[in-house]
Amino acid sequence: AQKITQTQPGMFVQEKEAVTLDCTYDTSDPSYGLFWYKQPSSGEMIFLIYQGSYDQQNATEGRYSLNFQKARKSANLVISASQLGDSAMYFCAMRDFKAAGNKLTFGGGTRVLVKP
Amino acid sequence: DAGVTQSPTHLIKTRGQQVTLRCSPISGHKSVSWYQQVLGQGPQFIFQYYEKEERGRGNFPDRFSARQFPNYSSELNVNALLLGDSALYLCASSSTGGPYNEQFFGPGTRLTVL
Repeated sequence: AQKITQTQPGMFVQEKEAVTLDCTYDTSDPSYGLFWYKQPSSGEMIFLIYQGSYDQQNATEGRYSLNFQKARKSANLVISASQLGDSAMYFCAMRDFKAAGNKLTFGGGTRVLVKP
Repeated sequence: DAGVTQSPTHLIKTRGQQVTLRCSPISGHKSVSWYQQVLGQGPQFIFQYYEKEERGRGNFPDRFSARQFPNYSSELNVNALLLGDSALYLCASSSTGGPYNEQFFGPGTRLTVL
C-alpha cells in the first residue's frame, strides 16, 4: 500500500524568503508520480507541480521546485520568494501508474503562514 | 471554459439521513473521482468513474455509492449519515481517467452532520 507522510503540521515563513515543505513516501511500485497541491481556505485543490519516478531532473514550475531524492523516498517542495498569497495548506500526493485509474493518495498536509 | 462545479456548496443534515452531492466535470472530461476530506486531514479517495463505469473504490462502507450519467456528471450518495461523515467532499475530473492524466478539482461540498 502507498503512504505519504508530511511531518510538518505548520510553518511560518517571512515574506520574500524561501520555504521547504517535507514529504516522504512509501511504495513498492517502481512507476509512480508525485504531486503537490495547494489548498487555500476556499477549499479548492490547486495543482502546483509534478515529478515522475523516472524523471531524471527535478521538476520546476515558476517559484515552485521539487527536491526529489528517490533513494530516500522524499519529494520536498521548495517555494522561493514567498508571497502573502502563498498562505494555505499544502498537500503532497502520490499516484501509482500500474493501477488502471487515477487514484491519488494524499499526505496529512502542512499549513504555511507567510508573515509580512 | 468552466472548471469543475459542485453543488450544493454547503449542506447540513442530521444523523440517519441520506444526502446526494453533485459534480459536473470540465467539458470534454469523461472521468470523475470523489474524495472525502475530514477537517485537519488530507483527502481520501472514495470512487472513480469513467464512461459510467466504476474504475476504483476506496476503503469506504457500502453506505457510500456513486454513479455517472451519460453527460459525465456524477452523484455521490451517502446513506444513514453518521457524525463522522462531516467533511469536505471534493470532486475531480480528468479527460480519460488514466494514471497519466491530470485531475482538476472542484471547490467541494461542505457537509455537516448534526
